[in-house]
Amino acid sequence: DAGVTQSPTHLIKTRGQQVTLRCSPISGHKSVSWYQQVLGQGPQFIFQYYEKEERGRGNFPDRFSARQFPNYSSELNVNALLLGDSALYLCASSLAGLNIYGYTFGSGTRLTVV
Amino acid sequence: DAKTTQPNSMESNEEEPVHLPCNHSTISGTDYIHWYRQLPSQGPEYVIHGLTSNVNNRMASLAIAEDRKSSTLILHRATLRDAAVYYCILGGSQGNLIFGKGTKLSVKP
Repeated sequence: DAGVTQSPTHLIKTRGQQVTLRCSPISGHKSVSWYQQVLGQGPQFIFQYYEKEERGRGNFPDRFSARQFPNYSSELNVNALLLGDSALYLCASSLAGLNIYGYTFGSGTRLTVV
Repeated sequence: DAKTTQPNSMESNEEEPVHLPCNHSTISGTDYIHWYRQLPSQGPEYVIHGLTSNVNNRMASLAIAEDRKSSTLILHRATLRDAAVYYCILGGSQGNLIFGKGTKLSVKP
């Protein structure tokens, strides 16, 4: 079975631009979460979606937005990119939106803002 | 949200057991204890999780203190492929995982 797939794997953008990152969860998983990992730090929670509804949001500005589609895939959008947005963006899927289940992470999208 | 405390780094010899400690003194009664590990250039990988009782799976064992204020991840025979950053995590109020800086495990041949 395919794991969590993220695209693209690497991306370079210019300050002020907008970016869309994509995630396909494991088949049967209805929950998708997004995390940002800056170099040297642990991942930080951005969003969680379950059954196409936002179930949680971390401490990130409104420039960050996300959505989940009927097939449970998800997109993370970041507007007006800043240099500080450079990070590894991770997507995780789970059977449900509760942390009593294990999460499966993708390998991430490495975003570099120049 | 409750937080965890882990040593920054630990070393182990190959084929020896490794005990990775974690303190979570503010844990609530419903918080599960999760362990994930992350190899360089990869996303975190689920290792194990538990609530009150000790847990075993093919990767590791999780020993949870009776008062639940601490836990220990046990790798029974460390291999070079176990070298990674290990995160001890409690769940957040929004069903999210709250990562700290983790413990960087080095395995010597």
